[in-house]
Amino acid sequence: AQTVTQSQPEMSVQEAETVTLSCTYDTSESNYYLFWYKQPPSRQMILVIRQEAYKQQNATENRFSVNFQKAAKSFSLKISDSQLGDTAMYFCAFMSATDNNDMRFGAGTRLTVKP
Amino acid sequence: NAGVTQTPKFQVLKTGQSMTLQCAQDMNHEYMSWYRQDPGMGLRLIHYSVGAGITDQGEVPNGYNVSRSTTEDFPLRLLSAAPSQTSVYFCASSRGSRAFFGQGTRLTVV
Repeated sequence: AQTVTQSQPEMSVQEAETVTLSCTYDTSESNYYLFWYKQPPSRQMILVIRQEAYKQQNATENRFSVNFQKAAKSFSLKISDSQLGDTAMYFCAFMSATDNNDMRFGAGTRLTVKP
Repeated sequence: NAGVTQTPKFQVLKTGQSMTLQCAQDMNHEYMSWYRQDPGMGLRLIHYSVGAGITDQGEVPNGYNVSRSTTEDFPLRLLSAAPSQTSVYFCASSRGSRAFFGQGTRLTVV
């Protein structure tokens, strides 16, 4: 079974600085999807960024980018120019390409952006 | 543009009571899922459905039942609530690799 590990339960960053959240995963599949979700205090699960494993190019969405290392099974999220609104729980998730219902989440990293 | 709608948003139950968490989606997605979120454990899959009339168990199915009579609705039933079922519950619908989540239900069993 796939597992997702987020080794940083909590992190903090000063406003306008850059922070990187770590995620590793374990799978025997060659084709899959990886995600970062943001969960603010409202509880809403908001998709931040999505990466297709067969694409070598790292995904980017404005201030958010990933470092996808397929061989190392690593998928870190970099947030540039951190803003107070980035304060939230961040979840890394894995989805099998052959079973789209098999979505596994990490335990989450609570990020606090300090003014 | 409702997306995935969950009701209720909050619920308190007594041990042994039953209840149904409702989930509806208006995107005509075949796949729907239920997750529970517990501190330090992320989201875990309870049950899922690949279409009307078809359901299957996920990672933590014990104590929960589901049915899928229509494409739109996927209710989650707790037959006899236990304190261990205190959690935040999310319903999701998906097409391919794109999942859409409801706003969650915070359930407390006392």
